[in-house]
Amino acid sequence: DAKTTQPNSMESNEEEPVHLPCNHSTISGTDYIHWYRQLPSQGPEYVIHGLTSNVNNRMASLAIAEDRKSSTLILHRATLRDAAVYYCILRDMNRDDKIIFGKGTRLHILP
Amino acid sequence: GAVVSQHPSWVICKSGTSVKIECRSLDFQATTMFWYRQFPKQSLMLMATSNEGSKATYEQGVEKDKFLINHASLTLSTLTVTSAHPEDSSFYICSAKKGGPYEQYFGPGTRLTVT
Repeated sequence: DAKTTQPNSMESNEEEPVHLPCNHSTISGTDYIHWYRQLPSQGPEYVIHGLTSNVNNRMASLAIAEDRKSSTLILHRATLRDAAVYYCILRDMNRDDKIIFGKGTRLHILP
Repeated sequence: GAVVSQHPSWVICKSGTSVKIECRSLDFQATTMFWYRQFPKQSLMLMATSNEGSKATYEQGVEKDKFLINHASLTLSTLTVTSAHPEDSSFYICSAKKGGPYEQYFGPGTRLTVT
Protein backbone atom coordinates (compact mmCIF):
# COMPACT_ATOMS: atom_id res chain seq x y z
CA ASP A 1 0.00 0.00 0.00
CA ALA A 2 1.19 3.52 -0.77
CA LYS A 3 2.23 5.58 2.22
CA THR A 4 0.10 8.23 3.89
CA THR A 5 1.11 10.90 6.38
CA GLN A 6 -1.23 12.20 9.07
CA PRO A 7 -0.74 14.40 12.13
CA ASN A 8 -0.35 12.36 15.29
CA SER A 9 -3.15 14.15 17.11
CA MET A 10 -5.67 16.96 16.79
CA GLU A 11 -8.10 18.72 19.07
CA SER A 12 -11.44 20.23 18.32
CA ASN A 13 -14.30 21.73 20.24
CA GLU A 14 -17.60 19.96 20.42
CA GLU A 15 -20.18 20.99 17.82
CA GLU A 16 -17.55 22.55 15.59
CA PRO A 17 -16.33 21.22 12.23
CA VAL A 18 -13.16 19.17 12.15
CA HIS A 19 -10.79 18.89 9.21
CA LEU A 20 -8.45 15.92 9.35
CA PRO A 21 -5.66 16.12 6.77
CA CYS A 22 -3.86 13.31 4.99
CA ASN A 23 -0.92 13.54 2.62
CA HIS A 24 -0.34 10.85 0.03
CA SER A 25 2.11 12.30 -2.44
CA THR A 26 3.00 8.91 -3.95
CA ILE A 27 -0.58 7.95 -4.70
CA SER A 28 -1.05 6.04 -7.95
CA GLY A 29 -3.87 6.42 -10.44
CA THR A 30 -5.56 3.23 -9.26
CA ASP A 31 -5.47 4.03 -5.53
CA TYR A 32 -8.70 4.79 -3.72
CA ILE A 33 -8.49 6.95 -0.59
CA HIS A 34 -10.18 5.28 2.37
CA TRP A 35 -10.82 6.51 5.87
CA TYR A 36 -11.50 4.32 8.86
CA ARG A 37 -11.83 5.27 12.49
CA GLN A 38 -11.35 3.36 15.71
CA LEU A 39 -13.26 4.35 18.80
CA PRO A 40 -11.65 3.50 22.15
CA SER A 41 -11.51 -0.25 22.83
CA GLN A 42 -13.38 -1.09 19.63
CA GLY A 43 -12.55 -2.44 16.20
CA PRO A 44 -12.14 -0.01 13.30
CA GLU A 45 -15.15 1.11 11.32
CA TYR A 46 -15.38 2.35 7.76
CA VAL A 47 -16.01 6.06 7.36
CA ILE A 48 -15.77 6.99 3.70
CA HIS A 49 -13.78 6.49 0.53
CA GLY A 50 -13.23 8.24 -2.79
CA LEU A 51 -11.14 8.29 -5.93
CA THR A 52 -11.13 11.77 -7.45
CA SER A 53 -14.33 13.61 -6.65
CA ASN A 54 -15.39 14.85 -3.25
CA VAL A 55 -17.69 12.45 -1.43
CA ASN A 56 -20.37 12.89 1.20
CA ASN A 57 -22.14 10.41 3.40
CA ARG A 58 -24.03 10.50 6.67
CA MET A 59 -20.84 10.29 8.72
CA ALA A 60 -18.49 12.69 6.97
CA SER A 61 -17.28 14.37 3.81
CA LEU A 62 -14.09 13.65 1.93
CA ALA A 63 -12.38 16.44 0.05
CA ILE A 64 -9.73 15.29 -2.42
CA ALA A 65 -7.15 17.66 -3.85
CA GLU A 66 -7.13 18.09 -7.59
CA ASP A 67 -3.71 16.43 -7.88
CA ARG A 68 -4.86 13.71 -5.44
CA LYS A 69 -1.71 14.12 -3.38
CA SER A 70 -3.71 15.04 -0.30
CA SER A 71 -7.19 14.71 1.11
CA THR A 72 -9.20 15.98 4.06
CA LEU A 73 -11.80 14.19 6.09
CA ILE A 74 -14.43 16.61 7.30
CA LEU A 75 -16.65 16.02 10.30
CA HIS A 76 -19.23 18.75 9.99
CA ARG A 77 -20.24 18.97 13.63
CA ALA A 78 -18.06 17.02 16.00
CA THR A 79 -19.54 15.34 19.03
CA LEU A 80 -17.82 13.68 21.96
CA ARG A 81 -18.58 10.35 20.30
CA ASP A 82 -16.31 11.31 17.42
CA ALA A 83 -13.24 11.08 19.64
CA ALA A 84 -11.26 8.31 17.97
CA VAL A 85 -8.18 7.46 15.94
CA TYR A 86 -8.75 8.23 12.26
CA TYR A 87 -6.83 6.29 9.66
CA CYS A 88 -6.27 7.41 6.07
CA ILE A 89 -5.46 4.42 3.86
CA LEU A 90 -4.78 4.00 0.15
CA ARG A 91 -6.15 0.89 -1.49
CA ASP A 92 -5.41 -0.16 -5.06
CA MET A 93 -8.64 -0.69 -7.00
CA ASN A 94 -7.02 -3.43 -9.02
CA ARG A 95 -5.86 -5.38 -6.00
CA ASP A 96 -8.49 -6.73 -3.68
CA ASP A 97 -6.03 -6.62 -0.86
CA LYS A 98 -5.60 -6.49 2.86
CA ILE A 99 -5.82 -3.23 4.81
CA ILE A 100 -2.55 -2.00 6.29
CA PHE A 101 -2.99 0.63 8.98
CA GLY A 102 -0.61 3.51 9.59
CA LYS A 103 -0.45 5.45 12.84
CA GLY A 104 -3.51 7.58 12.18
CA THR A 105 -4.61 10.80 13.87
CA ARG A 106 -5.94 10.71 17.41
CA LEU A 107 -8.81 13.19 17.55
CA HIS A 108 -9.67 14.72 20.92
CA ILE A 109 -13.01 16.48 21.27
CA LEU A 110 -13.26 19.16 23.95
CA PRO A 111 -16.64 19.65 25.60
CA GLY B 1 -25.96 -4.79 7.50
CA ALA B 2 -22.64 -6.53 7.84
CA VAL B 3 -21.85 -7.59 11.37
CA VAL B 4 -18.72 -9.31 12.59
CA SER B 5 -18.60 -10.68 16.11
CA GLN B 6 -15.76 -11.93 18.25
CA HIS B 7 -15.84 -14.24 21.21
CA PRO B 8 -14.79 -13.80 23.90
CA SER B 9 -14.64 -10.02 24.23
CA TRP B 10 -11.98 -10.40 26.88
CA VAL B 11 -10.06 -13.27 28.36
CA ILE B 12 -7.48 -13.75 31.10
CA CYS B 13 -5.30 -16.83 30.99
CA LYS B 14 -2.24 -18.17 32.73
CA SER B 15 1.14 -18.26 31.11
CA GLY B 16 1.71 -21.49 29.19
CA THR B 17 -1.93 -22.16 28.39
CA SER B 18 -3.65 -21.81 25.00
CA VAL B 19 -6.51 -19.48 24.17
CA LYS B 20 -8.94 -19.66 21.26
CA ILE B 21 -10.62 -16.56 19.86
CA GLU B 22 -13.56 -16.85 17.47
CA CYS B 23 -14.48 -14.47 14.67
CA ARG B 24 -17.88 -14.82 13.05
CA SER B 25 -19.58 -13.02 10.18
CA LEU B 26 -23.17 -12.96 11.37
CA ASP B 27 -25.15 -11.95 8.31
CA PHE B 28 -22.87 -12.68 5.38
CA GLN B 29 -20.43 -15.26 4.10
CA ALA B 30 -16.78 -14.33 4.24
CA THR B 31 -14.32 -16.14 2.03
CA THR B 32 -11.50 -14.13 3.53
CA MET B 33 -10.88 -13.04 7.09
CA PHE B 34 -7.99 -11.13 8.57
CA TRP B 35 -6.45 -11.11 12.03
CA TYR B 36 -4.83 -8.05 13.57
CA ARG B 37 -3.06 -7.40 16.86
CA GLN B 38 -2.92 -4.04 18.59
CA PHE B 39 -0.77 -3.04 21.55
CA PRO B 40 -1.74 -0.05 23.72
CA LYS B 41 -1.38 3.31 21.99
CA GLN B 42 -0.23 1.62 18.79
CA SER B 43 -1.81 0.98 15.44
CA LEU B 44 -3.26 -2.30 14.25
CA MET B 45 -0.73 -4.78 12.95
CA LEU B 46 -1.87 -7.36 10.42
CA MET B 47 -0.98 -10.87 11.55
CA ALA B 48 -2.47 -13.11 8.90
CA THR B 49 -4.97 -13.56 6.11
CA SER B 50 -7.31 -16.50 6.39
CA ASN B 51 -9.12 -18.04 3.42
CA GLU B 52 -11.92 -20.53 3.89
CA GLY B 53 -10.73 -24.07 3.40
CA SER B 54 -7.07 -23.28 2.98
CA LYS B 55 -4.03 -22.47 5.07
CA ALA B 56 -3.63 -18.98 6.42
CA THR B 57 -1.02 -16.62 5.04
CA TYR B 58 1.05 -15.07 7.81
CA GLU B 59 2.76 -11.71 7.71
CA GLN B 60 6.49 -11.54 8.12
CA GLY B 61 7.58 -11.98 11.72
CA VAL B 62 4.39 -13.66 12.90
CA GLU B 63 4.96 -17.17 14.24
CA LYS B 64 2.51 -19.49 12.54
CA ASP B 65 3.08 -22.26 15.08
CA LYS B 66 2.21 -19.91 17.91
CA PHE B 67 -0.81 -18.24 16.33
CA LEU B 68 -2.89 -21.02 14.81
CA ILE B 69 -5.59 -19.85 12.44
CA ASN B 70 -8.43 -22.03 11.21
CA HIS B 71 -11.08 -20.87 8.73
CA ALA B 72 -13.31 -23.92 8.62
CA SER B 73 -16.46 -22.31 7.29
CA LEU B 74 -17.60 -19.21 5.43
CA THR B 75 -18.73 -17.59 8.66
CA LEU B 76 -16.12 -18.64 11.20
CA SER B 77 -12.39 -18.18 11.67
CA THR B 78 -10.53 -18.97 14.86
CA LEU B 79 -7.21 -17.74 16.22
CA THR B 80 -5.53 -19.91 18.84
CA VAL B 81 -2.69 -18.41 20.81
CA THR B 82 -0.66 -21.41 21.90
CA SER B 83 1.52 -21.47 25.00
CA ALA B 84 0.62 -17.88 25.75
CA HIS B 85 3.09 -15.61 27.50
CA PRO B 86 2.61 -12.15 29.05
CA GLU B 87 4.06 -10.51 25.93
CA ASP B 88 1.13 -11.97 23.96
CA SER B 89 -1.24 -9.78 25.97
CA SER B 90 -2.86 -7.56 23.40
CA PHE B 91 -6.08 -6.53 21.66
CA TYR B 92 -6.86 -8.99 18.86
CA ILE B 93 -9.17 -7.83 16.08
CA CYS B 94 -10.55 -9.75 13.14
CA SER B 95 -12.13 -8.50 9.96
CA ALA B 96 -14.12 -10.21 7.24
CA LYS B 97 -14.57 -9.50 3.56
CA LYS B 98 -18.16 -9.51 2.42
CA GLY B 99 -17.70 -9.75 -1.30
CA GLY B 100 -16.97 -6.49 -3.03
CA PRO B 101 -13.37 -5.30 -3.22
CA TYR B 102 -13.83 -2.74 -0.48
CA GLU B 103 -16.38 -4.41 1.70
CA GLN B 104 -14.37 -5.34 4.77
CA TYR B 105 -15.88 -5.24 8.20
CA PHE B 106 -14.17 -5.39 11.56
CA GLY B 107 -15.07 -7.21 14.74
CA PRO B 108 -15.19 -5.49 18.13
CA GLY B 109 -11.92 -7.02 19.28
CA THR B 110 -10.82 -9.44 22.00
CA ARG B 111 -8.62 -8.27 24.83
CA LEU B 112 -6.22 -11.00 25.94
CA THR B 113 -4.34 -10.74 29.21
CA VAL B 114 -1.78 -13.39 30.04
CA THR B 115 -0.74 -13.54 33.68
